[in-house]
Amino acid sequence: GDSVTQMEGPVTLSEEAFLTINCTYTATGYPSLFWYVQYPGEGLQLLLKATKADDKGSNKGFEATYRKETTSFHLEKGSVQVSDSAVYFCALIGAGNEKLTFGTGTRLTIIP
Amino acid sequence: ETGVTQSPTHLIKTRGQQVTLRCSSQSGHNTVSWYQQALGQGPQFIFQYYREEENGRGNFPPRFSGLQFPNYSSELNVNALELDDSALYLCASSSDRGVGSPLHFGNGTRLTVT
Repeated sequence: GDSVTQMEGPVTLSEEAFLTINCTYTATGYPSLFWYVQYPGEGLQLLLKATKADDKGSNKGFEATYRKETTSFHLEKGSVQVSDSAVYFCALIGAGNEKLTFGTGTRLTIIP
Repeated sequence: ETGVTQSPTHLIKTRGQQVTLRCSSQSGHNTVSWYQQALGQGPQFIFQYYREEENGRGNFPPRFSGLQFPNYSSELNVNALELDDSALYLCASSSDRGVGSPLHFGNGTRLTVT
């Protein structure tokens, strides 16, 4: 079945540092890939998505590129802020599927 | 545009009891999905409803059941509660069964079973 493997946390960085959170996946066909963010006490918010190979999703300074050859969708940001502290989830929807399959989440803490 | 709203926000129940959680979809969305998020884990798919019919189910026992109403709001019912049912329950709405379209999540209902 479909699965998502995500970089284990927690991750602690200083403000303005470079961020990478690794994500790899297993799925049949061509899934759509997503990054969701969960701020404390809130539900999940879509951060960015990519629906086909080599697509780059971007939002709020975050980027991720759909790499079919390495089955990866790593999240990056060039300069993180304290307000980026949250839990980040990589997820996919398999082709013809109706459900999101999530990774276990990576807790990110940014210190001033 | 009204987002996805869930009620109640918190709930405490005793093992063996039954619970009903409610969700109002985002305007214009005809599909509702429910997810269970245990502490420190990613959300797990429970089931999806599309136009009032179940459209897919995850690996959850039959004591987890649901309904979708003509206005596309939804309920999640859990019978014979167990301690392991303690989790954050998330509702998400989308259009066209979510294929290629992103899910919009509510803030969830935190269920504690004692």
